[in-house]
Amino acid sequence: GENVEQHPSTLSVQEGDSAVIKCTYSDSASNYFPWYKQELGKRPQLIIDIRSNVGEKKDQRIAVTLNKTAKHFSLHITETQPEDSAVYFCAARYNNDMRFGAGTRLTVKP
Amino acid sequence: DGGITQSPKYLFRKEGQNVTLSCEQNLNHDAMYWYRQDPGQGLRLIYYSQIVNDFQKGDIAEGYSVSREKKESFPLTVTSAQKNPTAFYLCASSISTGQNTGELFFGEGSRLTVL
Repeated sequence: GENVEQHPSTLSVQEGDSAVIKCTYSDSASNYFPWYKQELGKRPQLIIDIRSNVGEKKDQRIAVTLNKTAKHFSLHITETQPEDSAVYFCAARYNNDMRFGAGTRLTVKP
Repeated sequence: DGGITQSPKYLFRKEGQNVTLSCEQNLNHDAMYWYRQDPGQGLRLIYYSQIVNDFQKGDIAEGYSVSREKKESFPLTVTSAQKNPTAFYLCASSISTGQNTGELFFGEGSRLTVL
């Protein structure tokens, strides 16, 4: 099955700075790459996703880039705010098999 | 009100007992999933099901069993064979349309503690 690795495991930034989280995947057949945000005590929620036929996607302050050749994808958050503090998970999917990275705990200091 | 519902939210069990976690969805989704979440280890796939009466093992299926008798329901049984069952369990569902599958919608989770 798919293996997803995520780095870093923790990330601390100052409010207003940018944050970048990186993931690699092993199965070249994976074609869907979502990012989820999980706040403390809550369920994970989708924040952005990208399909394999696209190299970059942006939604306001968040963006995702995908390099299929290298099998890695990244989440970029600009102008971070304290409410961005949470655990972020990347995932990779082929058909109905969805595997997640280990998560990144992002802390945004005011 | 559409969504995915897990119950119970909190569950305590003694060692050696089996326990079943419920997951129900009214989103008309074909695919359903069970993940286990431990601190620092992210979401690990236990089982998933693409259609009724069919399911596949994930990375950590040992000590767990599932059934998919109805499209809306995907219960997970944590058996006494699971060596370290204390964890947070998340159920999810998604549309299944071949390769164009969509996002996962998660339930609120069930926290199991073995005493």
